[in-house]
Amino acid sequence: DIQMTQLPSSLSASVGDRVTITCRASQGITNSLAWYQQKPGKAPKLLLYGASRLLSGVPSRFSGSGSGTHYTLTISSLHPEDFATYYCQHYYSAPPAFGQGTKVEIK
Amino acid sequence: QVQLVESGGGVVQPGGSLRVACAASGFTFSNYGMHWVRQAPGKGLEWVAFIRYDESNDYYADSVKGRFTISRDNSKNILYLQMSGLRAEDTAVYYCAKDRGAELLLPGSFDYWGQGTLVTVSS
Repeated sequence: DIQMTQLPSSLSASVGDRVTITCRASQGITNSLAWYQQKPGKAPKLLLYGASRLLSGVPSRFSGSGSGTHYTLTISSLHPEDFATYYCQHYYSAPPAFGQGTKVEIK
Repeated sequence: QVQLVESGGGVVQPGGSLRVACAASGFTFSNYGMHWVRQAPGKGLEWVAFIRYDESNDYYADSVKGRFTISRDNSKNILYLQMSGLRAEDTAVYYCAKDRGAELLLPGSFDYWGQGTLVTVSS
């Protein structure tokens, strides 16, 4: 099974900051990676799939990149509504798996 | 619009059984694989199970294999998760989620989620 390691587990940032979250797979996943945002008490929301493909309606300040085993989610300029927990998920093979999550908090 | 509405959660004793359901609407249910994903209180997301769009195969996390069964009724647009041999560590909010790709044979990403149903395993 492929394991996902997501870093950092939490970070503090201010509105307007650029934020980068990293996800590393235990083996190559050929861009079969998705990113989700979850707010307290709510279901997760898909932001990107295919490592870099933005879901329709997701703001363009969110972007994804990477290849092989190393992937990143970047928020170019944090908005107040972006404070949440973010998860990566691979779907290269069964079973799919999530990273441990990154909580983005207000500094 | 796509809607996924879970039901059936509750409190169950260790070793007990419970079936949760997910009513789907707003898309052609029979064209999409479906998943169950759970989240223990204060913890991260854990994928639980996937069933292909045509019920031809299903997949499970090792943590639930042999105890949980995913199924679907494409005539009623309902997804199920039958849970047996429940343990305290199965306590979680259970979400049903739609796979983003149509007619995929393997699990993909999840583009729509329900609101979740809480399952508590406790004596």
